[in-house]
Amino acid sequence: DAKTTQPNSMESNEEEPVHLPCNHSTISGTDYIHWYRQLPSQGPEYVIHGLTSNVNNRMASLAIAEDRKSSTLILHRATLRDAAVYYCILRDSVKGAQKLVFGQGTRLTINP
Amino acid sequence: GAVVSQHPSRVICKSGTSVKIECRSLDFQATTMFWYRQFPKKSLMLMATSNEGSKATYEQGVEKDKFLINHASLTLSTLTVTSAHPEDSSFYICSARDPGTGPSRTEAFFGQGTRLTVV
Repeated sequence: DAKTTQPNSMESNEEEPVHLPCNHSTISGTDYIHWYRQLPSQGPEYVIHGLTSNVNNRMASLAIAEDRKSSTLILHRATLRDAAVYYCILRDSVKGAQKLVFGQGTRLTINP
Repeated sequence: GAVVSQHPSRVICKSGTSVKIECRSLDFQATTMFWYRQFPKKSLMLMATSNEGSKATYEQGVEKDKFLINHASLTLSTLTVTSAHPEDSSFYICSARDPGTGPSRTEAFFGQGTRLTVV
């Protein structure tokens, strides 16, 4: 699996937008970009994923660079419940590899 | 949405004993499940891939005789930590993907995790 690079930690304020970056310069054409987050003492949960186009869902938005070498997870209005570790993961859709290999992720702190 | 459930959520055991952790897919059939372990403040480390009806595939450095995996049905995989030692204390997490969602819906679902403490 291609590697991703994320900042170790970020901090933001409640009710403000948060932009979490991820670099994946070795991404292949068949790699989907996935984001998961892990709240304290819980298993990870799916946030969003995309291939080439920007994606929106009820939790977040995913902005993918035109060359796909980087992406940004956007939380439009952070709440205290969004404090978690956010993982950016590449997953090959063609090879059928189902396993997710986690990097270090970004620990997001939300200030009240 | 799909749900993966783990049991127990917490367990304390004595050194030398074995502990079994269950992972169930509640509303879908999972031919493949995955087991991770996580130390405090660290990321998830993939231990093995559990395959229904066949042997598990272990990641490099994971002792298969230490961490026994059984995937006897399409909704249940178990991880048994044998002859547990204090260094086996960790947070164990399983995951599965609902194959019925198709290749474009590739999100995985995770259990809530099991906190194992070996004393």
